[in-house]
Amino acid sequence: DTGVSQDPRHKITKRGQNVTFRCDPISEHNRLYWYRQTLGQGPEFLTYFQNEAQLEKSRLLSDRFSAERPKGSFSTLEIQRTEQGDSAMYLCASSSGAEAFFGQGTRLTVV
Amino acid sequence: AQSVTQPDIHITVSEGASLELRCNYSYGATPYLFWYVQSPGQGLQLLLKYFSGDTLVQGIKGFEAEFKRSQSSFNLRKPSVHWSDAAEYFCAVGAPGYDYKLSFGAGTTVTVRA
Repeated sequence: DTGVSQDPRHKITKRGQNVTFRCDPISEHNRLYWYRQTLGQGPEFLTYFQNEAQLEKSRLLSDRFSAERPKGSFSTLEIQRTEQGDSAMYLCASSSGAEAFFGQGTRLTVV
Repeated sequence: AQSVTQPDIHITVSEGASLELRCNYSYGATPYLFWYVQSPGQGLQLLLKYFSGDTLVQGIKGFEAEFKRSQSSFNLRKPSVHWSDAAEYFCAVGAPGYDYKLSFGAGTTVTVRA
């Protein structure tokens, strides 16, 4: 297994467009997390899944954001009607316990 | 809710000198503690972790950290830094036995001068 994989690595989009990111976790990990990291800050928790169930969503996750994890495998994070404030690095992590393994992230730039 | 403070935004250190990065946490019990390193444009790599037991933990790349319950601290150290240690370092705290989601500090940027 090569670790947590995220696609795309970079995305530039125009304000108002929808974007979708994908995360492929380590195969035996039942937990999957999404974090957002803005410039000069540490990652902030957005949401997490245990298997296919989305168990918690941060208040940072506005109604323009939606995440899914069908069949408890890969996950997608969609942002509708993007705004310039959505520009950030979106990090995915997976775990089977307390230790989380992070992907390389998707850098979103909204112009 | 847990939180983390990294008091130093930026540290500059000479190659071969020692390095210490500070981390203070807030949590009602003994948390899980982590140090991650991030190179520009990259994801996070785990350096070391503390769950329980020996309060001095060893990690990768020659790093170590010490958990001090009385000071709510988990400082990261390296005896002799290499130019490749230039990066951003994040301390994180997780809640044991719950959802294991992490709360991160704002990070410390380390610059290594020749």
